Amino acid sequence: AQTVTQSQPEMSVQEAETVTLSCTYDTSENNYYLFWYKQPPSRQMILVIRQEAYKQQNATENRFSVNFQKAAKSFSLKISDSQLGDTAMYFCAFMKLSYKLIFGSGTRLLVRP
Amino acid sequence: DTGVSQNPRHKITKRGQNVTFRCDPISEHNRLYWYRQTLGQGPEFLTYFQNEAQLEKSRLLSDRFSAERPKGSFSTLEIQRTEQGDSAMYLCASSPKGRGYNEQFFGPGTRLTVL
Repeated sequence: AQTVTQSQPEMSVQEAETVTLSCTYDTSENNYYLFWYKQPPSRQMILVIRQEAYKQQNATENRFSVNFQKAAKSFSLKISDSQLGDTAMYFCAFMKLSYKLIFGSGTRLLVRP
Repeated sequence: DTGVSQNPRHKITKRGQNVTFRCDPISEHNRLYWYRQTLGQGPEFLTYFQNEAQLEKSRLLSDRFSAERPKGSFSTLEIQRTEQGDSAMYLCASSPKGRGYNEQFFGPGTRLTVL
């Protein structure tokens, strides 16, 4: 069975600084997808960024980028130029071809003004 | 609003009562998923549909839980004889059918409190 581990329950960063959230996963699959989702307080979950396992190039979406290390089964999220609106719970998630998402326990990120 | 909608947004019930939640997916999406999220945890997969067919059910979905998606449009999740351990946020998501990856779009959730 696949598992996703987020070892940082809470993180804090100063506005405009850079922060990295960690995620490790366990799978015997070779083809899969990895995601970071954002869940702002009392608002719905939205996709931040995704990575296909067969792609060696790390995904980037504006201020968000990932460091995907397939052999190490590591998938960290870097947020550059942090903004107050980035304050949220961040979930790392895994999906194989069955399409269901397997989430980690989340990291609560606070961006301080 | 053309996103995923869920009703009700909040439900408070007494232990032993039955409750039913509704999810309306994005109209052109034929895959629909249910997840459960307890406080301080990530969502856990419950079940998913492709059109009206329920293709996978988690072991978390005990015999007190049933989900339907008649006609492949909206879906309902019913919990019979609710227990305090059923208190959670129930999330619905939908995605279009296609080869490979398709993004799942989440609804706002239904928060269930069992007293």
